Amino acid sequence: DAGVTQSPTHLIKTRGQHVTLRCSPISGHKSVSWYQQVLGQGPQFIFQYYEKEERGRGNFPDRFSARQFPNYSSELNVNALLLGDSALYLCASSRAPDSYNSPLHFGNGTRLTVT
Amino acid sequence: GQSLEQPSEVTAVEGAIVQINCTYQTSGFYGLSWYQQHDGGAPTFLSYNALDGLEETGRFSSFLSRSDSYGYLLLQELQMKDSASYFCAVRGLSNDYKLSFGAGTTVTVRA
Repeated sequence: DAGVTQSPTHLIKTRGQHVTLRCSPISGHKSVSWYQQVLGQGPQFIFQYYEKEERGRGNFPDRFSARQFPNYSSELNVNALLLGDSALYLCASSRAPDSYNSPLHFGNGTRLTVT
Repeated sequence: GQSLEQPSEVTAVEGAIVQINCTYQTSGFYGLSWYQQHDGGAPTFLSYNALDGLEETGRFSSFLSRSDSYGYLLLQELQMKDSASYFCAVRGLSNDYKLSFGAGTTVTVRA
């Protein structure tokens, strides 16, 4: 089975622009989460979607938004990019939103550089 | 919220045993997870402790003591391929399904 796939793998944007990152979960997984990982830090929770509904949001500004489609794939959108948004954006899928019985399966991420 | 502390770096030789400690401050959580991440790669799930005690998965073991707010990951018979970053993580009792990660421990295995 294919793992979690994310596109693009790398992206360079200019301050003020917007970006859309895409994620396809493992087949059969209905929950998708987005995390931001800055170099040298652990992943930071951005959003969690299950059955196309937002179930959780981390401490990120409203410039960050996401959605989940009927096929359970997901998009993360970031508007008005800032230099500080430069990071690795990780998508993770799981069968259910509760990680205690459903571990997260991460994609390889999208490396976003804002100049 | 949740706060997790891990050592930033550990270095050991092939064949050795390494213990990565994780201390946490949280008002409550469902369990302690461990993830491995190689340079430039995706974090991969290693183990999960819902209850106090030791969980063993091959060369890796994980331990949790809720009374001590403490857990650890034990890497045995270290191999060069174990050089990676290791993260402990907890999911709190809030309904946002957020997994909170520590800053990670970089393990370097030397020949």
